Amino acid sequence: AQSVTQPDIHITVSEGASLELRCNYSYGATPYLFWYVQSPGQGLQLLLKYFSGDTLVQGIKGFEAEFKRSQSSFNLRKPSVHWSDAAEYFCAVGRRVNTDKLIFGTGTRLQVFP
Amino acid sequence: EAQVTQNPRYLITVTGKKLTVTCSQNMNHEYMSWYRQDPGLGLRQIYYSMNVEVTDKGDVPEGYKVSRKEKRNFPLILESPSPNQTSLYFCASKIRGLVDTEAFFGQGTRLTVV
Repeated sequence: AQSVTQPDIHITVSEGASLELRCNYSYGATPYLFWYVQSPGQGLQLLLKYFSGDTLVQGIKGFEAEFKRSQSSFNLRKPSVHWSDAAEYFCAVGRRVNTDKLIFGTGTRLQVFP
Repeated sequence: EAQVTQNPRYLITVTGKKLTVTCSQNMNHEYMSWYRQDPGLGLRQIYYSMNVEVTDKGDVPEGYKVSRKEKRNFPLILESPSPNQTSLYFCASKIRGLVDTEAFFGQGTRLTVV
């Protein structure tokens, strides 16, 4: 069965520091991979997605993620964090079949200190 | 502005008192779904709808009902709410029910059942 693991429940970084949020998935083939961000009091917004091709994908707000098949990972990165990046981040995977199914991770809450 | 609108944003109710959370989208999307978000569990799908008059169970449908009489609306009905349904609820829509299409989320409804 598909599953998604986000090992870090809570991460704290200083503004301007680099960021990496971890995501590991379990799936028999290459899945569709997504990162969503949930700002306080808001719904989820798509940051980026990977379907195929270049394993390094660029998203909105300066985020990027790298798909590593050998590690079953899809880690999210940002070179320099801004205070406005404080939010909860969700990794999600979807099967490569004609279905809507998305499996979400449990989320990582990012706190940014000035 | 393209959006998914949920109402109410906050609701406190008593056990057993029927309630409805409304969801409306203005993007002419075929697909709509409901999720609940609980700490440590991420988002879990309750029900989804591929199109008008087509609904199906997600991962956690017990205690919930939905209907899809019009394309734009997808209300979530709790016939007899219980405290274990206290949660943050999100409605989402997509242009069609395929995993590679972007989901747009509402701002959420925080429900407390006492």
